[in-house]
Amino acid sequence: GAVVSQHPSRVICKSGTSVKIECRSLDFQATTMFWYRQFPKQSLMLMATSNEGSKATYEQGVEKDKFLINHASLTLSTLTVTSAHPEDSSFYICSASKTENTEAFFGQGTRLTVV
Amino acid sequence: GQQVMQIPQYQHVQEGEDFTTYCNSSTTLSNIQWYKQRPGGHPVFLIQLVKSGEVKKQKRLTFQFGEAKKNSSLHITATQTTDVGTYFCAGVRGGNNLFFGTGTRLTVIP
Repeated sequence: GAVVSQHPSRVICKSGTSVKIECRSLDFQATTMFWYRQFPKQSLMLMATSNEGSKATYEQGVEKDKFLINHASLTLSTLTVTSAHPEDSSFYICSASKTENTEAFFGQGTRLTVV
Repeated sequence: GQQVMQIPQYQHVQEGEDFTTYCNSSTTLSNIQWYKQRPGGHPVFLIQLVKSGEVKKQKRLTFQFGEAKKNSSLHITATQTTDVGTYFCAGVRGGNNLFFGTGTRLTVIP
């Protein structure tokens, strides 16, 4: 199957700093990538849809100025958590599909801890 | 907004017993996908159902899509310890937007 790589897998940062998470599709081009957030023992919550060459589409309740998404190429999307606070600590995971309405391939996820 | 609920939230079974998780959407789905997530891992695609009333099998796993395309189920026959994990259904709402169900965490007792 296709490979989606996410980096870093774990990050600890201080409150007030920003953290960038990268999501790459290694063997296919993805015009659309998705960012999810998952709290312990809970489901994946769709945060935003990252569109190559255009602005991301954010789900209701997700602050776009807080979670900056950039999709500069067909193989890379980044999520930047700005001015991180402890409540932003979570598991962030991206996904991409080769074509519409087909299986999603997930990155390994990034566990963010804000201290 | 769209909601996808799953029951049960947790299930503990003895190895060899069967297991079923049910998925219900508040809206009609174009298709539904199922994923498995092992502890500490990321979701891995299992299957996609598209047609009303569709049934698909993968070895010991049987997937069904309801006639109204608003519910689905996953049934595992004779569970094994390797089946441990959280099973999520995910409804597709246009494009590739996946809305995940609440998940069912399966524990298999050897």
